[in-house]
Amino acid sequence: NAGVTQTPKFRILKIGQSMTLQCTQDMNHNYMYWYRQDPGMGLKLIYYSVGAGITDKGEVPNGYNVSRSTTEDFPLRLELAAPSQTSVYFCASSYRQRGNNEQFFGPGTRLTVL
Amino acid sequence: AQTVTQSQPEMSVQEAETVTLSCTYDTSESDYYLFWYKQPPSRQMILVIRQEAYKQQNATENRFSVNFQKAAKSFSLKISDSQLGDAAMYFCAYRSEVGAQKLVFGQGTRLTINP
Repeated sequence: NAGVTQTPKFRILKIGQSMTLQCTQDMNHNYMYWYRQDPGMGLKLIYYSVGAGITDKGEVPNGYNVSRSTTEDFPLRLELAAPSQTSVYFCASSYRQRGNNEQFFGPGTRLTVL
Repeated sequence: AQTVTQSQPEMSVQEAETVTLSCTYDTSESDYYLFWYKQPPSRQMILVIRQEAYKQQNATENRFSVNFQKAAKSFSLKISDSQLGDAAMYFCAYRSEVGAQKLVFGQGTRLTINP
């Protein structure tokens, strides 16, 4: 199993450009999440999904969109990139069950908006 | 909404010594988990230890243990016999067992190990 994979690893965008951050998991997890980590800070939840076709906003959703057409994929779309979106983006997934289920994180995408 | 606070932006310890990282949280829920994650320079988020709120016994994982004080809403991490490989950012996180099991993170503590 590859776990949670994210592409690209690094990206530089100009203000106003758009891009999609890709996230794929091969563990058949029903829950998926997108977090952002600003320099020197903890992770904050952008969007999450509890299954294919179901998405919801997290703490910091403005400027982003998501879709979940399959169990495996959960892309994050940035429209009209702004310098405030410079951050490291993490995708995570987990299997919904009570107790000892763990969120597995991808390696992150470092995005710079200039 | 739940909040997690780590009041120590940086900590340092001598190799082979013991260090304790602090975390407090605020919630009105009774059913939740608490976690400590390690983030080395590679950026990978690594689960170190977890604690279920219903369990009074403190969790331990080899050299890592927690002091869970539910009434005080405190969840500290103790690292014994510190090793150079323990140097990293450490994040405390809260997870409600209601709904989508979203994680709420603290601001992090940067741990330096002095040889």
